[in-house]
Amino acid sequence: EIVLTQSPATLSLSPGERATLSCRPSQSVGSYLTWYQQKPGQAPRLLIYDASKRATGIPARFSGSGSGTDFALTISSLEPEDFAVYYCQQRSSWPWTFGQGSKVEIK
Amino acid sequence: QVQMQESGPGLVKPSETLSLTCTVSGGSIRSDDWSWIRQPPGRGLEYIGFISYTGTTTYNPSLRSRITISLDTSKNQFSLDLSSVTAADTAVYYCARRSGAAAGNLDYWGQGTLVTVSS
Repeated sequence: EIVLTQSPATLSLSPGERATLSCRPSQSVGSYLTWYQQKPGQAPRLLIYDASKRATGIPARFSGSGSGTDFALTISSLEPEDFAVYYCQQRSSWPWTFGQGSKVEIK
Repeated sequence: QVQMQESGPGLVKPSETLSLTCTVSGGSIRSDDWSWIRQPPGRGLEYIGFISYTGTTTYNPSLRSRITISLDTSKNQFSLDLSSVTAADTAVYYCARRSGAAAGNLDYWGQGTLVTVSS
């Protein structure tokens, strides 16, 4: 199965700063890469799919990029509600797998 | 607005079968695919499997021998059975919709239910 490696494990930033998270699949997933946001005690929320398409209702400060084996999620200017854990997921090859998560915490 | 709610026992004994139901409201189960995902405490997410509205199932190979996902269109529900459970199956279990409108991604989720495997 495809292993997704996310980095960094934790990112400490202040509101207003830019966050960039990385996701590297162990083999090419084309553009079939999705990003979810999860807050404590909540279900994950769909943010970005097909590497760069924002899901319905997702603010424009969230953007995704990349293809193949190198992807990034960027939050252009962190809002207080953006501090959470972010997971990438591939749906190129079954079983679809998730990365281990990257936590964005308040500095 | 689609809403999803998991239900079932919060405690299951080792070697027994874990059974959960997801009730879907605000939308019909007669379209899209319906998924189960789990998250052990403090850990990442694992895709268990999904069932299409036609009843076709796709299971994670690591769990295939122990899982059954089924659909009840009359009740707008789908279910998960996981047999021969061990402590390693302790997790928050989520149901979610895999939607064509979101290019096959999980756009609606239940709130999750914690299932603990313990004697």
